[in-house]
Amino acid sequence: NAGVTQTPKFQVLKTGQSMTLQCAQDMNHEYMSWYRQDPGMGLRLIHYSVGAGITDQGEVPNGYNVSRSTTEDFPLRLLSAAPSQTSVYFCASRGSTEAFFGQGTRLTVV
Amino acid sequence: RKEVEQDPGPFNVPEGATVAFNCTYSNSASQSFFWYRQDCRKEPKLLMSVYSSGNEDGRFTAQLNRASQYISLLIRDSKLSDSATYLCVVNIRTGANNLFFGTGTRLTVIP
Repeated sequence: NAGVTQTPKFQVLKTGQSMTLQCAQDMNHEYMSWYRQDPGMGLRLIHYSVGAGITDQGEVPNGYNVSRSTTEDFPLRLLSAAPSQTSVYFCASRGSTEAFFGQGTRLTVV
Repeated sequence: RKEVEQDPGPFNVPEGATVAFNCTYSNSASQSFFWYRQDCRKEPKLLMSVYSSGNEDGRFTAQLNRASQYISLLIRDSKLSDSATYLCVVNIRTGANNLFFGTGTRLTVIP
């Protein structure tokens, strides 16, 4: 069982570049979300989706876009990378209770 | 104010010790509670849900005090393999049913 597949695992960007973090799940979950994890801050919700075609902002949405065209996929786009977006990003998919996370993307913006 | 507050530790305990982690949450609309475990440079994984009556899973016991908005995790007979960061998580059922995470408590079990 693949669960949640998140790519890439590592990425280095220059300030101002854009990129898309990919997330796919094979559990037919309606709810998917993106978090960033920074030292001393814990996981903070960036954007989430409760189903195909439905997305909404979390705690720290600025600088990020999402879309949900299918149940399986929930990509996260960085529009114009900034050093403050250096972080570890996790995609999560959730059924009735347990959240399943992807392996994470370590992003460095220089 | 953070939705979930945890003592970040670190907790360094010898093998076989009993250790307890505490967590408080601020939103009385919080409905579901969990402990997740996160190993170094890995993704979080569900350790156990926390029920109002308290629950136990082997060496792990979780308790919830709704009146005080307080959650605890007790680990008995600590193993080296218990070394990890433990995340307190609450599900706030207003709107989209999002999960909110504490910053985590780091545990190191020493031989």
